[in-house]
Amino acid sequence: AQSVAQPEDQVNVAEGNPLTVKCTYSVSGNPYLFWYVQYPNRGLQFLLKYITGDNLVKGSYGFEAEFNKSQTSFHLKKPSALVSDSALYFCAVRGHSGGSYIPTFGRGTSLIVHP
Amino acid sequence: DAGVIQSPRHEVTEMGQEVTLRCKPISGHDYLFWYRQTMMRGLELLIYFNNNVPIDDSGMPEDRFSAKMPNASFSTLKIQPSEPRDSAVYFCASSKVQDYNEQFFGPGTRLTVL
Repeated sequence: AQSVAQPEDQVNVAEGNPLTVKCTYSVSGNPYLFWYVQYPNRGLQFLLKYITGDNLVKGSYGFEAEFNKSQTSFHLKKPSALVSDSALYFCAVRGHSGGSYIPTFGRGTSLIVHP
Repeated sequence: DAGVIQSPRHEVTEMGQEVTLRCKPISGHDYLFWYRQTMMRGLELLIYFNNNVPIDDSGMPEDRFSAKMPNASFSTLKIQPSEPRDSAVYFCASSKVQDYNEQFFGPGTRLTVL
């Protein structure tokens, strides 16, 4: 069975500092990996995905994520955090066949950016 | 495209009443998902459909919950009878397998059962 771990319930960072939100995964075969963001009282919004190719994926709002196959990780990063980045972030993984077509989501990490 | 549409956005009801949540997926998407989100349990997948057919309902918490998708543009999630522990935000999402099942979420329905 596929699974996602987001080891931090909350990440605090000062505005202007770099941020990292961690994600590790488990899946049979090669993964498809996703990051979503949820602002208060809103649905989840797609940020970026890794399908194949370059391990560094760039997405919306200046976010990027690095796929590391040996560490089974897909950490979300941004060089300079904004207060408006404060939100709930979800990592998701899916496989390539059968029931693994359906993404499995992590529990989410609350990012708080302090002015 | 208007995105995934859910109604109502807010629902307050009393214990024992029937609740029906509605969803219109994005046109052309072949998967539809129903999720529930609470502080305690996070985001839970309740059921998903592929081409209007329910594929996996193992996340549906009890027989009080049922979901239908009579056509490609409409789905309902029904709770009968409702209980206070059903209070949560319910999300509908849709996707298409050609896009690696990247999901598009609706704005959610906030359900409060008194």
